[in-house]
Amino acid sequence: NAGVTQTPKFQVLKTGQSMTLQCAQDMNHEYMSWYRQDPGMGLRLIHYSVGAGITDQGEVPNGYNVSRSTTEDFPLRLLSAAPSQTSVYFCASTQTGTYEQYFGPGTRLTVT
Amino acid sequence: RKEVEQDPGPFNVPEGATVAFNCTYSNSASQSFFWYRQDCRKEPKLLMSVYSSGNEDGRFTAQLNRASQYISLLIRDSKLSDSATYLCVVNPVGSARQLTFGSGTQLTVLP
Repeated sequence: NAGVTQTPKFQVLKTGQSMTLQCAQDMNHEYMSWYRQDPGMGLRLIHYSVGAGITDQGEVPNGYNVSRSTTEDFPLRLLSAAPSQTSVYFCASTQTGTYEQYFGPGTRLTVT
Repeated sequence: RKEVEQDPGPFNVPEGATVAFNCTYSNSASQSFFWYRQDCRKEPKLLMSVYSSGNEDGRFTAQLNRASQYISLLIRDSKLSDSATYLCVVNPVGSARQLTFGSGTQLTVLP
């Protein structure tokens, strides 16, 4: 019973590099979202999707792109990494009709 | 003003103690409220929803005061395993399933 999976668990990037954080869920949830968590800031919403083919911006979308070609997958792309993007990134999915969010284990990203 | 504010703590309490956390929210039209628990270097997990009438789940009691715009979580008979960060979470009105998270209150239960 995988739930929400994220890869990689850890990543170090140099400034200016691009990369994609992977997120997948096997619960057939329509709603998926990406957060970043920084000390003292709580979780902040980056992008979200209410279903395949539909995405929208959250609170802190700059520097990130998302796509949702299938119900299962919701990758987050960093276009040109900056030190300010050093953070822990969580992907989450939500069952239709509820608000309970199921989180993946997170990706710890460091940008040098 | 932050949309959801919590006392960051840390709260250090002995085993068996009762501890309470409060949280305030700024949007008076917010609809749904939750407490999530986050263990160190782990993902958040839903602890309980918060209903207007208050609700209890074992040693945990959640209360909502809409007039004062605050939510509380009471933990009775604290266990070592309760040590974690507790996140207050609000669903703002008109935001579909988006959730706004507080920055969390850290609890350490001491033997």
